[in-house]
Amino acid sequence: NAGVMQNPRHLVRRRGQEARLRCSPMKGHSHVYWYRQLPEEGLKFMVYLQKENIIDESGMPKERFSAEFPKEGPSILRIQQVVRGDSAAYFCASSPPSNDGYTFGSGTRLTVV
Amino acid sequence: RKEVEQDPGPFNVPEGATVAFNCTYSNSASQSFFWYRQDCRKEPKLLMSVYSSGNEDGRFTAQLNRASQYISLLIRDSKLSDSATYLCVVNTPHTPLVFGKGTRLSVIA
Repeated sequence: NAGVMQNPRHLVRRRGQEARLRCSPMKGHSHVYWYRQLPEEGLKFMVYLQKENIIDESGMPKERFSAEFPKEGPSILRIQQVVRGDSAAYFCASSPPSNDGYTFGSGTRLTVV
Repeated sequence: RKEVEQDPGPFNVPEGATVAFNCTYSNSASQSFFWYRQDCRKEPKLLMSVYSSGNEDGRFTAQLNRASQYISLLIRDSKLSDSATYLCVVNTPHTPLVFGKGTRLSVIA
């Protein structure tokens, strides 16, 4: 039973480019969460999705960031026109409907140069 | 006031020592509590849930005091492999998990 799969593991983008981060939840998990961790900082919630629905996006920056979890395929976190401050580790987690205790993917480390 | 507060450390302890981490949370409606462990440049992993009655898993003991909104983690007989950052995590119904910034532990030979 594969865990939460994130790719790519490492992503380098120049300022102004787009970054696409992908997350496939664990089998049987219908809830997906995206968190961002800046260097030497804690995990900050960004967005919570279920299939085809954004449930809570209170942690998403108002501009340049978007997320989706389509009926088929992985969840995508998209960052447009990246800036140096977007450099961070982006972790995806999934949970079953009970919403109790998450399993995290290994993260995508985004570096903006 | 932050939702979940932890002493950032670092805690530098010798092998075999007992070390305790504390955590406070601000939302009295919180219902589920966890400790996660995060190794350097890795993802957080669930260490244990925390129950009001207290719970133990080998060398690890977690306690919850709802009245004081306080959670603790005790590690006995520390091993080198316990070196990591320990994250206090709080769940309020119908909202995503909230993570503390973590307490860094270094166990020294």
